[in-house]
Amino acid sequence: DAKTTQPPSMDCAEGRAANLPCNHSTISGNEYVYWYRQIHSQGPQYIIHGLKNNETNEMASLIITEDRKSSTLILPHATLRDTAVYYCTSGTYKYIFGTGTRLKVLA
Amino acid sequence: ETGVTQTPRHLVMGMTNKKSLKCEQHLGHNAMYWYKQSAKKPLELMFVYNFKEQTENNSVPSRFSPECPNSSHLFLHLHTLQPEDSALYLCASSQEAIIQGLAGGTDTQYFGPGTRLTVL
Repeated sequence: DAKTTQPPSMDCAEGRAANLPCNHSTISGNEYVYWYRQIHSQGPQYIIHGLKNNETNEMASLIITEDRKSSTLILPHATLRDTAVYYCTSGTYKYIFGTGTRLKVLA
Repeated sequence: ETGVTQTPRHLVMGMTNKKSLKCEQHLGHNAMYWYKQSAKKPLELMFVYNFKEQTENNSVPSRFSPECPNSSHLFLHLHTLQPEDSALYLCASSQEAIIQGLAGGTDTQYFGPGTRLTVL
């Protein structure tokens, strides 16, 4: 069973920031949070991961709350190509992908 | 070739056939994984290999038989499959499979494009 919870779907206007939340309340102190995305019928693609500090790379930013029980993936300027299912995984269950959040970027 | 490759990309087989899926990673990783993704369902972890040793079998039926001859190659041998086995089969690799997360290290997974399997 997945040990993360995410909203099933979200819409975002093109060019706006997309903020995707994830709850991982059972995470332990030394376990990372990982984010992946899957564009229709392709293999999932790694986006970013973090432990407790906020992280940023060329694809996205990751904000982790101080208690580490939740995180938010931020796509700063969403494009149509960011339409995908976004998965958050963490801790012992990091190989278990839940249903993710289906993000639709609208023109 | 770079990353994780899978062959074939598409496979149609009858219930009595025997076929194999192949995965190859060119990342120097030591862990490899098989996942199954049925239509409109989440990814299901099937098998995990760490340094060529199987460390996880997620209650997969015996008609699916994995083989990991070395850290770069992973096979999934298929025999007497059922129509409900039709799905996208994904292979992934990572530096090392840290199953329990005890070490606190990272093991980012890199996925192949998948094999679309149809069982008639």
